[in-house]
Amino acid sequence: GEDVEQSLFLSVREGDSSVINCTYTDSSSTYLYWYKQEPGAGLQLLTYIFSNMDMKQDQRLTVLLNKKDKHLSLRIADTQTGDSAIYFCAESIGDDKIIFGKGTRLHILP
Amino acid sequence: GAVVSQHPSWVICKSGTSVKIECRSLDFQATTMFWYRQFPKQSLMLMATSNEGSKATYEQGVEKDKFLINHASLTLSTLTVTSAHPEDSSFYICSARGSGRAVEQFFGPGTRLTVL
Repeated sequence: GEDVEQSLFLSVREGDSSVINCTYTDSSSTYLYWYKQEPGAGLQLLTYIFSNMDMKQDQRLTVLLNKKDKHLSLRIADTQTGDSAIYFCAESIGDDKIIFGKGTRLHILP
Repeated sequence: GAVVSQHPSWVICKSGTSVKIECRSLDFQATTMFWYRQFPKQSLMLMATSNEGSKATYEQGVEKDKFLINHASLTLSTLTVTSAHPEDSSFYICSARGSGRAVEQFFGPGTRLTVL
């Protein structure tokens, strides 16, 4: 079935890099996404990667995709206190549907 | 990016009453809108997909008579929780997508429903 798995919690020191990992099951997914959710708010699309790409970089964000292993990662360089949030990995299913993981809560240590 | 609003941002109601939540795309025409439900510390679960002017498509296990969805215009979709019960208490989030096969869904800020 359709499933997206990610670790629930990550703790990182301010200034270090954060790496959030995700695995998904549907090999036909066209797009894979990373969304950010701050407390009490909706979701903000951080970045997405097309399934035929291996890597995408956007300022402090780097997305790596290993399609063979169905593994997606998000690296946040120079992690700041404002990066504290829940990060959702998601895969597209067909034309409309997006399946989300349970989210990784990123905690920043001073 | 495009802006999606939801109203109200939170609502408390008595068991047995109905609650309507609005989702609006403020600066683009949303041909497709999605309604999600999020439980505490859980992922978003897609409830239904609605296209403007047609009936919503509900996900398996979602009662269409319980959760009424109307997408009457290209900028407005409504979700009505009928005869709400405490187990319907949740965070409801809508998202909207423009015409064509757009990559991105734009999410609203969510509505927290508490049923007493």
